[in-house]
Amino acid sequence: GAVVSQHPSWVICKSGTSVKIECRSLDFQATTMFWYRQFPKQSLMLMATSNEGSKATYEQGVEKDKFLINHASLTLSTLTVTSAHPEDSSFYICSAQFTSGSSRETQYFGPGTRLLVL
Amino acid sequence: AQTVTQSQPEMSVQEAETVTLSCTYDTSESNYYLFWYKQPPSRQMILVIRQEAYKQQNATENRFSVNFQKAAKSFSLKISDSQLGDTAMYFCAFIPNRDDKIIFGKGTRLHILP
Repeated sequence: GAVVSQHPSWVICKSGTSVKIECRSLDFQATTMFWYRQFPKQSLMLMATSNEGSKATYEQGVEKDKFLINHASLTLSTLTVTSAHPEDSSFYICSAQFTSGSSRETQYFGPGTRLLVL
Repeated sequence: AQTVTQSQPEMSVQEAETVTLSCTYDTSESNYYLFWYKQPPSRQMILVIRQEAYKQQNATENRFSVNFQKAAKSFSLKISDSQLGDTAMYFCAFIPNRDDKIIFGKGTRLHILP
């Protein structure tokens, strides 16, 4: 149980294009999903918190117009990197929490998406 | 500020040995949640073990156990009979309240040597 998928697993794109990353909770419903960015050999950096049916909450310093987040259902959240530039190249990870239950606070992570912008 | 500190950036142990990874945290909350996550070379974050602060009993999951010292704000992870597949980055993390964001430490890179 508690499986989270991400698609694509990795993507190469040209500078100026937009890239969409999908995060799905496969066997549970998730009211809240999180998007992280991870630089090599560093910890995870929270970018935004995504709640189903409402606008995402972005962390300080994260451009909401650049990183568009949509959480249209209890099993799907998407992150769109708009007008990507080489500095956006990174490893992006999503996580999801159960909607209820005793383990509601536990986050389950997707396998990540490696983005390379040329 | 609520923080998580992992004082060991990197460790190496021989296969089958026991290893302990340190973690301390700082919070003024009384009921919070602690986690150890493992990130192997595949970079998939895997939940290793979870502890609720109001439970005094230390959590265990097979070869993985924790030593939770609430007064000292310490939450160390012990891996017994270490295996090559335990090679990974290990992150200590906690959530101050159920609806709060998770706070990660900087990680400890663990190498299990054959």
